[in-house]
Amino acid sequence: EPEVTQTPSHQVTQMGQEVILRCVPISNHLYFYWYRQILGQKVEFLVSFYNNEISEKSEIFDDQFSVERPDGSNFTLKIRSTKLEDSAMYFCASKEDRANTEAFFGQGTRLTVV
Amino acid sequence: GEDVEQSLFLSVREGDSSVINCTYTDSSSTYLYWYKQEPGAGLQLLTYIFSNMDMKQDQRLTVLLNKKDKHLSLRIADTQTGDSAIYFCAENPGYSGGGADGLTFGKGTHLIIQP
Repeated sequence: EPEVTQTPSHQVTQMGQEVILRCVPISNHLYFYWYRQILGQKVEFLVSFYNNEISEKSEIFDDQFSVERPDGSNFTLKIRSTKLEDSAMYFCASKEDRANTEAFFGQGTRLTVV
Repeated sequence: GEDVEQSLFLSVREGDSSVINCTYTDSSSTYLYWYKQEPGAGLQLLTYIFSNMDMKQDQRLTVLLNKKDKHLSLRIADTQTGDSAIYFCAENPGYSGGGADGLTFGKGTHLIIQP
């Protein structure tokens, strides 16, 4: 069964450092998403991406964040200068098309900022 | 704004039915979802319901939607130890009319199974 894969599964970084979280969406999917889940809290929408540009973003997704699809398979989330409060589980998701009901989620990357 | 509320914990005996409840605020939601998250794992879509339906059954799972009260429930029949997980309710306000593209999740309900 096709799946969304995320790497790494766990990343530890020092405050102020840049991190790039990587995702490989399902190959025929066109819409891509990043969500985050701070420990014990809700899963929060960060950004959606379609046709090589941001489709929608939440107020969490400030100038410190950026997304990119550098080639035909990867979808990345970059945090420019990490803060302690960026520590969370980050989930990537993809959908075949916008109207499709099911978003497939990856296993997540746990980011720990120290 | 959009908000999804769930109770944080539900404890049931193995073999009993579990009913997990959720309320949402966005009446324009076209789809409502239930996701399951097992420890250390990602989010797995369990089932969804379209807003013009009031019930959907899928094997042991029954989803009930009361659109007037903006209330969604997930019933798991014959609950097993493998059902132990966090269950998230989520809404998708729909992609037309400038609504948010992403899902809005509740905090999740921890389902605890007693032997």
